[in-house]
Amino acid sequence: GAVVSQHPSWVICKSGTSVKIECRSLDFQATTMFWYRQFPKQSLMLMATSNEGSKATYEQGVEKDKFLINHASLTLSTLTVTSAHPEDSSFYICSARVLAGDFYEQYFGPGTRLTVT
Amino acid sequence: GQNIDQPTEMTATEGAIVQINCTYQTSGFNGLFWYQQHAGEAPTFLSYNVLDGLEEKGRFSSFLSRSKGYSYLLLKELQMKDSASYLCAFMDSNYQLIWGAGTKLIIKP
Repeated sequence: GAVVSQHPSWVICKSGTSVKIECRSLDFQATTMFWYRQFPKQSLMLMATSNEGSKATYEQGVEKDKFLINHASLTLSTLTVTSAHPEDSSFYICSARVLAGDFYEQYFGPGTRLTVT
Repeated sequence: GQNIDQPTEMTATEGAIVQINCTYQTSGFNGLFWYQQHAGEAPTFLSYNVLDGLEEKGRFSSFLSRSKGYSYLLLKELQMKDSASYLCAFMDSNYQLIWGAGTKLIIKP
């Protein structure tokens, strides 16, 4: 299957600083990538849909000025958490959608665990 | 509207069989996915159904009934490593995945 990487795998930052998370599709091109957030013992929550060459589409309740998404190429999307606060501590996961034959498959990166102190 | 429902937690015995059910409601449907997620890790793809019937992949099988808005994931010959959360998701008319809350499966020796 397709491989999606994320970097860093974990990060600790101080409150008020910004953190950038990279998501790369390693062996395929992804016009659409998704960013999810997952709190402990909860399901995935879609934050935004990232489309190459255009602005991201944010889900209701997600602040676009706080969570900056850039999809500059067909293999790279970045999520920047600006002015991070402890409540932003979570597991952030990206995924890329690929057309496989007649249907779409969605592959996930390994996730980034963010801790804001 | 759209919704999707699956049990919160299930317990089964090593070597046995377990069936995890998923029901959904949506006006637009482009397939039903099952993912496995171990604690602290990202989900991994298990199966996809877009037509009615049973899809078998080794110890795992997935079933879909579109008319009933129902799917199940069947796990046979359970192993301790199968302890994980199993996420059901359907793809809507915009090709976006709508996720269930996940079923935590606990395997006991």
